[in-house]
Amino acid sequence: QVQLQQSGTELVKPASSVKISCKASGYTFTSNYMHWIRQQPGNGLEWIGWIFPGNGNTKYNQKFDGKATLTADKSSSTAYMQLSSLTSEDSAVYFCAAAISNYFDYWGQGVMVTVSS
Amino acid sequence: DIQMTQSPSSMSASLGDRVTITCQASQDIGNNLIWFQQKPGKSPRPMIYYATNLANGVPSRFSGSRSGSDYSLTISSLESEDMADYHCLQYKQYPWTFGGGTKLELK
Repeated sequence: QVQLQQSGTELVKPASSVKISCKASGYTFTSNYMHWIRQQPGNGLEWIGWIFPGNGNTKYNQKFDGKATLTADKSSSTAYMQLSSLTSEDSAVYFCAAAISNYFDYWGQGVMVTVSS
Repeated sequence: DIQMTQSPSSMSASLGDRVTITCQASQDIGNNLIWFQQKPGKSPRPMIYYATNLANGVPSRFSGSRSGSDYSLTISSLESEDMADYHCLQYKQYPWTFGGGTKLELK
C-alpha cells in the first residue's frame, strides 16, 4: 500500500536551515508528483510547490521562493524539502502529499517545525 | 493569485442536519477544485475531486456542487465522525490556493 513516511519533529534556531524528508513506498516514486503543503498553528493550508522526482522538475509558490528548496533522491524514493533562513513565521506543520490516482490523494503524517532560540 | 473565500469559518450543527460549506473563487477556476477533510492532529483527506466527484471511500452523504464561482460541499445528514475542519483548494492556476477553512463542530 502507498505510504509516505515523514521525518520527525524539528526544533531549530532562527536564521538556520532544516531539511525534512518524505520517504515514499508502494508506488512508482519517479512517475508521480510530490507536493508540499504548510499549515501554520491555527491557520489554514498553503501550497508550497511540487517536484516531479522522475526528472527533478519543480514548481514553487512564489511566496516560498528562496525559502523552500525541493529535491528528490530516486535511489531511496525520498523527497526532501529544505527550509532556509528560518524565522518564527516558519514554525508550522509541513506535509508531503503524492498525486497518484488524483491530486493529493496520499499524505504524509506531517512534520512539526518549531523555530525558537 | 486566485483568492478562495471560504464560509463560514466555523459552524455548529446537530446530528442529522444538512450542512453546506462554500468557497467562492475570485477568478474562473472551472471545476478544478478539491475539498479536504482534516481531523485534529491528522493529515487532510480528499473528499471531493473536480468540484463534484466523490473520492474513493467517501460516504455518499457528502456531495460537491458548483454554481458559477461558488463551490459547495454538502453533508446531507451530519454524523459525529464528520466533525472536522474542511478546506477547499483550487488548482486551476499557480499558485494553487486553499480557502481559509471551516471548523465544523457539534451543537
